[in-house]
Order: sequence, then structure tokens, then C-alpha cells
Amino acid sequence: EAGVAQSPRYKIIEKRQSVAFWCNPISGHATLYWYQQILGQGPKLLIQFQNNGVVDDSQLPKDRFSAERLKGVDSTLKIQPAKLEDSAVYLCASSTTREGLNIQYFGAGTRLSVL
Amino acid sequence: ILNVEQSPQSLHVQEGDSTNFTCSFPSSNFYALHWYRWETAKSPEALFVMTLNGDEKKKGRISATLNTKEGYSYLYIKGSQPEDSATYLCASTGNQFYFGTGTSLTVIP
Repeated sequence: EAGVAQSPRYKIIEKRQSVAFWCNPISGHATLYWYQQILGQGPKLLIQFQNNGVVDDSQLPKDRFSAERLKGVDSTLKIQPAKLEDSAVYLCASSTTREGLNIQYFGAGTRLSVL
Repeated sequence: ILNVEQSPQSLHVQEGDSTNFTCSFPSSNFYALHWYRWETAKSPEALFVMTLNGDEKKKGRISATLNTKEGYSYLYIKGSQPEDSATYLCASTGNQFYFGTGTSLTVIP
């Protein structure tokens, strides 16, 4: 089966600019996640969708970050305006349940550098 | 928020050496422990998911154990190869995944 697709793979922007990332989950996976992984830290959940509804966005900096999952398939994550501290890898994952366990499958991520 | 810790942060081993690293997690409200391998410029790949105290899983030269009472898991690699070079992430799950900071392994040919 095709994996989780993300684009772009790399993005370099200046602070105060806007940027958007795209994710296409594995077909049939209802749950989609966006993670932020800052260098030296573990991935941190930004937002979780179940179909096109938000399940958890408690760690999403809502003053500058937004995400949507129209039609419950693809998702976009936007940062507007970007700050230096937003430099990170942004990972998208989708999940399925196997034997009662939530198994997450990840894309290759988008590496964002904010200058 | 669960505090998941991994050690060491990085590791260099010679090809053929065996190695192991640790993932520590809060033992209360434990549900499952996941290990991922993340090679540079690739997607994190799921290695194991374990739920029961004493669980042991094996995939080729890589194996993992779980102690839920004391809150730790070990990942072992036997006879390390250069292709094992990657960051190994663990995640403890309750209602969401809480990741450790990873162990970066470099296998020197």
C-alpha cells in the first residue's frame, strides 16, 4: 500500500513569511496527525483529526498555526507568520487499529528552516 | 503530558558490535510502547509495539523487551551493520503518543 505522502520535503523561508505543508494519508485511515520535531527533541503532537473533525489541538499555537482536513482525506498545516523557533521537521502520520492497538504510519516529513 | 526519556542520546559502534539503548516511561496509565527507526530523509518506520509486562519482540537482528512495572524498554541490535545507522525513537501511548528524544546510532564500517 502507498505510504503517507508529504510535500514539500524542504522549505526555507524568512521570519514573518507564511508557509503551508500538505499531507495525504494512507487510504482508509480515518485519523491524521501533525507533529513538530525540533532538533534534539522528540516529535510533539500539534493536532489530531478524526475524519474532518479535530480531536486534539491543545498543543497547536493557534495564534500562528492552523490546520484543516477538508473532506476527511488530505490535510494542510499553515504557519502565518513564521518565527525562528518554528524551524523543525513537520511530520504527518495516519493511523489504523490492529489488534486493538493504534499503529501510526509516518510520512518523510517537511524540514522547515526559518531565517 | 508523559515524560518519556531515551538514553544514550547518541552512540557510535563498530560494525559487528552489539548494542542496546533504553526507553524510560511513566509506569502509571501505561497502554503500549512503540519503537520506531528513523533513517535520515526517510519516514519513521514502526519496529515494535508492546503492551504486556515481560513482552519480548524480535525482528531479524533487532529485539526489544518491556518492563511495565518499572517503566522501561530496551532495544537490542545484534551484530550492528552500517544500514542500522538511524535514530531510534520510542513512544509511550495513553490517549496519544508521547515520544522520547531518540537515540542516534552510527555504525562505523
